[in-house]
Amino acid sequence: DGGITQSPKYLFRKEGQNVTLSCEQNLNHDAMYWYRQDPGQGLRLIYYSQIVNDFQKGDIAEGYSVSREKKESFPLTVTSAQKNPTAFYLCASTLGGDWRNTEAFFGQGTRLTVV
Amino acid sequence: AQSVSQHNHHVILSEAASLELGCNYSYGGTVNLFWYVQYPGQHLQLLLKYFSEDPLVKGIKGFEAEFIKSKFSFNLRKPSVQWSDTAEYFCAVSGGFKTIFGAGTRLFVKA
Repeated sequence: DGGITQSPKYLFRKEGQNVTLSCEQNLNHDAMYWYRQDPGQGLRLIYYSQIVNDFQKGDIAEGYSVSREKKESFPLTVTSAQKNPTAFYLCASTLGGDWRNTEAFFGQGTRLTVV
Repeated sequence: AQSVSQHNHHVILSEAASLELGCNYSYGGTVNLFWYVQYPGQHLQLLLKYFSEDPLVKGIKGFEAEFIKSKFSFNLRKPSVQWSDTAEYFCAVSGGFKTIFGAGTRLFVKA
């Protein structure tokens, strides 16, 4: 079955540590996205990538980094510089970067808790 | 500023009641509008979308939404809800490469 796989589902991190969230898709989609979901704030865009080896900052990129070395993979690193990293993280992908012509598919999310 | 506002954060209905979830947006230029749904334990998935066609859009599971350009609104409706409609609903607006989501509305349907 085609889809997006995020791992792990739950992640605990100590303050001051970097942590990497995995996102893999087998939909052959060009564009991939990372969103952060906080209660009462909806989904906020962290980073997006429209093509391999290219990515752009979203609205809340500070304290995060990404890479896009392969079409199917878009890992997100939450660095120690992120002041409030505890949140639910969602990865998404679209066939093309223009949402007017495509449908977004989402992973099941990773819940990160800083302890 | 670009934004999406969903009026209700929590809605509780009994089965067979009618549903209307409000969504208003602020976004310059031509937009496309979406409603996504997240059932408990499942992925966020597309419920319906408006792409410059008939302003009344039909989606899956009996849902529909009406785009009213003059009011910058895209409200979601269903005539008769079921217990299985219990979920979180997100309105989103896209101008192409940037998509903005609302804060979400949690719907609980009592059996």
